[in-house]
This record gives sequence, C-alpha cells and structure tokens, in this order.
Amino acid sequence: DTGVSQDPRHKITKRGQNVTFRCDPISEHNRLYWYRQTLGQGPEFLTYFQNEAQLEKSRLLSDRFSAERPKGSFSTLEIQRTEQGDSAMYLCASRSTGSGYTEAFFGQGTRLTVV
Amino acid sequence: QKEVEQNSGPLSVPEGAIASLNCTYSDRGSQSFFWYRQYSGKSPELIMFIYSNGDKEDGRFTAQLNKASQYVSLLIRDSQPSDSATYLCAVGGPGDSTLTFGKGTMLLVSP
Repeated sequence: DTGVSQDPRHKITKRGQNVTFRCDPISEHNRLYWYRQTLGQGPEFLTYFQNEAQLEKSRLLSDRFSAERPKGSFSTLEIQRTEQGDSAMYLCASRSTGSGYTEAFFGQGTRLTVV
Repeated sequence: QKEVEQNSGPLSVPEGAIASLNCTYSDRGSQSFFWYRQYSGKSPELIMFIYSNGDKEDGRFTAQLNKASQYVSLLIRDSQPSDSATYLCAVGGPGDSTLTFGKGTMLLVSP
C-alpha cells in the first residue's frame, strides 16, 4: 500500500454537470476525511467517516454534495449540478484511531475546474 | 466558528537563517496542534505536532505552544531553499475529530 490514492487527479466539467471523485485510503485506516482547498486558502473540512459511518458534515456543505463510504474502505464524493464556485482541490486524508496520536495522511487531491 | 489565523506572507529569509512562523487560534478548547508543509500543487505533509505547552524539537524544526495566549509557532533553523513552501497551521478540538486549518504562510528561502 503506497498511501492515499485519489482519482481522478484532474477533472474539468461544465457547469450543471455532476461529478464523482474516489478516494482509496491506506488499508488499515478506519477514519477518512474530505477537505476542499481553494487557491491561497487552507484546507476546509467537508466531512469524515469512521469506517462506513459518516460522523460529521460541515455546515458549509450544501445539499449538492454527498459522500459515501459503503464498505468502510474507499469513499466517493459526488457534487451535483456543479457551479463555478465548486472549482477547487478536493483532498482526502486517512488515519487510524486508537491510543495516542496517529498522523493523517493526505492523498494528492483531485483538482476540479468548472467551466 | 473556530478560527486559525496565520500571516499569509510571503516570509523571506536568507539560506541558513531561522524562519519563524506564527499561528493563533480562537477555540480555547483546542487540544492538538499541527504544522503541515505544502509545496505548490501538492498535498499537505505533516512536519510536527504538539499537545503540551512549551517547546518540541525535531531536527531543524521546533514547535512552540502557549495555550494561555492561544499561540503556536514553528521555528526552522538553518533554513534551506528546499524549505520554500506554504506552511499550514492546523488545530484539533477536544476528542478525536477534525482539524481546522489556517490559510497558510508562504516561506521563501533565498540561496
């Protein structure tokens, strides 16, 4: 396992189209996070999963966004009816939970451009 | 609304100098503090984390935490051109949940 994998790396879509991104976490990691990052900003939390359960969603996350982690392994993030303001880097991170601190590892991200 | 504030920079230092990066946070209940480095077009990578007041050293990097002042800093000694990147401060709340990131400080180390 070489780390957190995200697919695709780049996506260009027309406004109004739906897009879906995939994240494959490090295999033994039970926690998976989605963040969004725009130019000049830090990563902004969207949602996270503990195994297959979605435990928290940001209030900033509109109902056009939905995420799943059906078997507690990979996760998908779907954006419906994309808008130009959705253009950003979408980052996935994973970590294991337990006693003590465990580092969250980020994937390389999916860069979305809405035209 | 939890806030993490960083000076956006750029912070310019000559090679070999000490770079000092600062971060303040709004939530007094915050318990964990992280510094990530992000090269342009790449994803963040963890440099250091700190939980307790005081200093924590790892090689050329020292993280400093002052919970009373709600202040975290990162010192980079003997700065190298390869240290040129954006440094993100991230803060975790009580429990084991999510991180709130600052906007990052761009560091430029000139040869």
